[in-house]
Amino acid sequence: AAGVIQSPRHLIKEKRETATLKCYPIPRHDTVYWYQQGPGQDPQFLISFYEKMQSDKGSIPDRFSAQQFSDYHSELNMSSLELGDSALYFCASSSKPGQGPAFFGQGTRLTVV
Amino acid sequence: DAKTTQPPSMDCAEGRAANLPCNHSTISGNEYVYWYRQIHSQGPQYIIHGLKNNETNEMASLIITEDRKSSTLILPHATLRDTAVYYCIVRVAAGGGADGLTFGKGTHLIIQP
Repeated sequence: AAGVIQSPRHLIKEKRETATLKCYPIPRHDTVYWYQQGPGQDPQFLISFYEKMQSDKGSIPDRFSAQQFSDYHSELNMSSLELGDSALYFCASSSKPGQGPAFFGQGTRLTVV
Repeated sequence: DAKTTQPPSMDCAEGRAANLPCNHSTISGNEYVYWYRQIHSQGPQYIIHGLKNNETNEMASLIITEDRKSSTLILPHATLRDTAVYYCIVRVAAGGGADGLTFGKGTHLIIQP
């Protein structure tokens, strides 16, 4: 079965640069969630979208923004990168916000140097 | 969403049943219990969820106490590949804006050969 696809899988950026992470949800899923997992930490919810509108907001820094497009894929834009932004970034999708399980992608490992 | 409490770590012998407890004493009537697991740096994997009845699927069984204040995830025949961090998450049933999963500390389950 098709799963959540994230790209790129690995990304290295320098401080103060920008990065864009992409997420392609499971077909027919209209809700996308973004999570950040720092080294040795548990996943932290950042933001979610349903039908291209922001649905819920967690601990997303002001330097980050995200959107969902008409084909339901989503992009997480990160600006003025800091060393502390180095983390795994996971995307998940579900068929409705807050209903039923969300399924996660394999993540993007971002390293800021 | 209600807070959950899990033991930080557990060991289980390969081939035996692994029973992972979770306390969620402040759970509300409209909150489901979800279980996810994360194998080292991979995306969290959905296992099972339930409201008040016991549930079983091809991966595991979920036993929820009658008062819904605690639950147990059962892996019937644990294998080495079941070594992972297991997260018990309580989540509002539908919508309302609070639809991102809140990951706690989880239980690091180690399957011993």
